[in-house]
Amino acid sequence: AQSVTQLGSHVSVSEGALVLLRCNYSSSVPPYLFWYVQYPNQGLQLLLKYTTGATLVKGINGFEAEFKKSETSFHLTKPSAHMSDAAEYFCAVRISGGSNYKLTFGKGTLLTVNP
Amino acid sequence: SAVISQKPSRDICQRGTSLTIQCQVDSQVTMMFWYRQQPGQSLTLIATANQGSEATYESGFVIDKFPISRPNLTFSTLTVSNMSPEDSSIYLCSVRPGVEAFFGQGTRLTVV
Repeated sequence: AQSVTQLGSHVSVSEGALVLLRCNYSSSVPPYLFWYVQYPNQGLQLLLKYTTGATLVKGINGFEAEFKKSETSFHLTKPSAHMSDAAEYFCAVRISGGSNYKLTFGKGTLLTVNP
Repeated sequence: SAVISQKPSRDICQRGTSLTIQCQVDSQVTMMFWYRQQPGQSLTLIATANQGSEATYESGFVIDKFPISRPNLTFSTLTVSNMSPEDSSIYLCSVRPGVEAFFGQGTRLTVV
């Protein structure tokens, strides 16, 4: 079985500051890893994903994440926060391969951006 | 990718009643997933719905409480039955045509 741990249920940054949201996973087989964003009163939107290949993946809105197998981590970063980045962020993991494998979500990190 | 239309977007219901949530996808998909997101919590999978067969429920969720229909490859419904205030949550429909999952906008349910 797989699991996801997001460190920090709430992260607050100033506009223009670095955003770092932490995600550690547990999986017995090579995982697929995802970051989703949820804006208020909306569904989840995919930010980026890691499947295979390059371990540094770039997503939408200037976000990127690096898959570090040795650390079992997939932290999300953005060099400069915008007010529009304020949202809930979810890290998710599933077993690589067929599409019917269960997707497991972390508890989420609420990002606040201060002017 | 996939575009999902989910309705209603929100509702306030009396306890003891039932609400049916609809999910329409713009392409044919084998499986559709229903999640619950309780206030301030992460997503919990309720069940997986395949066309032409009974839905598969996760531990803690039963068909009598959350009956699901899947009449074709682009549509599914989830019913929340005999509601109580503890059922107040966001309910999300999801599909996975490839590697990543796509989600509807969610149904925000308040039971009073």
